[in-house]
Amino acid sequence: AQSVTQPDIHITVSEGASLELRCNYSYGATPYLFWYVQSPGQGLQLLLKYFSGDTLVQGIKGFEAEFKRSQSSFNLRKPSVHWSDAAEYFCAVGEVLTGNQFYFGTGTSLTVIP
Amino acid sequence: EPEVTQTPSHQVTQMGQEVILRCVPISNHLYFYWYRQILGQKVEFLVSFYNNEISEKSEIFDDQFSVERPDGSNFTLKIRSTKLEDSAMYFCASSLGGRTPLHFGNGTRLTVT
Repeated sequence: AQSVTQPDIHITVSEGASLELRCNYSYGATPYLFWYVQSPGQGLQLLLKYFSGDTLVQGIKGFEAEFKRSQSSFNLRKPSVHWSDAAEYFCAVGEVLTGNQFYFGTGTSLTVIP
Repeated sequence: EPEVTQTPSHQVTQMGQEVILRCVPISNHLYFYWYRQILGQKVEFLVSFYNNEISEKSEIFDDQFSVERPDGSNFTLKIRSTKLEDSAMYFCASSLGGRTPLHFGNGTRLTVT
């Protein structure tokens, strides 16, 4: 069965520091992968997506993610974090074959300290 | 940019009452979904809907839940007899299908007292 694991429940970084949020997936075929961000009281906003091709994908707000098939990972990175990046981040894998269902990880809560 | 809209943003109901959560998906989208997020927990899939029928549902989506697309624009989730444990944020989403992302609404916070 498809699954997504985000091993870090909560991460705290200083403003201006680099960030990496981890995501591992379990999926039988070539996955299509997403990162979403949820600010307090808001819905889920798409940050970036990977379908195929270049394994390093760029997203909005200066985020990028790298697909590594050998490690079944799709980690999210940002070189310099801003205070406004504090939010909950969700990794998701999409399943095309059975009704376009998406599977979400448990989320990583990011705190940014000045 | 078109977006998914959900109403109301917050719904308070008493245990045993019926609630209807409403969503207007993006107009040219074909797949519609409901997810829920209990406070502090992961986003959980409830149901997907395509071509006017349920395409997949999770174990959570039992007989107390139903979905409907009554008029070609709205997509509703009905909870027939609410329980305390139904308190959660409910997210509607839509997509074009294939390898396209889901677009989410801002959610309806349901509080069952």
